[in-house]
Amino acid sequence: GQQLNQSPQSMFIQEGEDVSMNCTSSSIFNTWLWYKQDPGEGPVLLIALYKAGELTSNGRLTAQFGITRKDSFLNISASIPSDVGIYFCAGPKEGSEKLVFGKGTKLTVNP
Amino acid sequence: SAVISQKPSRDICQRGTSLTIQCQVDSQVTMMFWYRQQPGQSLTLIATANQGSEATYESGFVIDKFPISRPNLTFSTLTVSNMSPEDSSIYLCSVDSTYGYTFGSGTRLTVV
Repeated sequence: GQQLNQSPQSMFIQEGEDVSMNCTSSSIFNTWLWYKQDPGEGPVLLIALYKAGELTSNGRLTAQFGITRKDSFLNISASIPSDVGIYFCAGPKEGSEKLVFGKGTKLTVNP
Repeated sequence: SAVISQKPSRDICQRGTSLTIQCQVDSQVTMMFWYRQQPGQSLTLIATANQGSEATYESGFVIDKFPISRPNLTFSTLTVSNMSPEDSSIYLCSVDSTYGYTFGSGTRLTVV
């Protein structure tokens, strides 16, 4: 089945540093979604990508939909303490509205 | 995007009992999705709830354990039946709204 391989599993960075994480799959995805989950909360959608090659920004966040449609990355620039959380990539299974999720990247930002 | 109210936000339950989780959406949606997030893990889809028909369950999940109701286009419930400690997880509902898939804040269930 379609699976998403997300890396890195965790990151420990200093405030002000840039962050990059990515997701890959052996299958094609037509939509890539990036979510952030804070402790005790549900995932919140950060960026949605709908077209191969698309590069979209949301404040300090930038995400790209890979040309092959099998990968995506999320960058966070100039990290701040409130960026702490778990970031998930996700996409709907082909021909379905059901989402499959990556395993998440846990981000820790040291002040 | 759609706003989802999910309750309870957390509960501690005795093994062998059942808990019903409610999900209310502020707009009409065709499909509602229920997920489980085990401690330190990613989200796994339990089932898809359509109004007017039986829910569709993913592999590894069965109706007897996770009965779902979908009485109208804005509401759904998930029941976790005959609970055991292995059911301790966060349960989340989700809908596909105009700006992407939106999630409720989750129900943190601890079974003792």
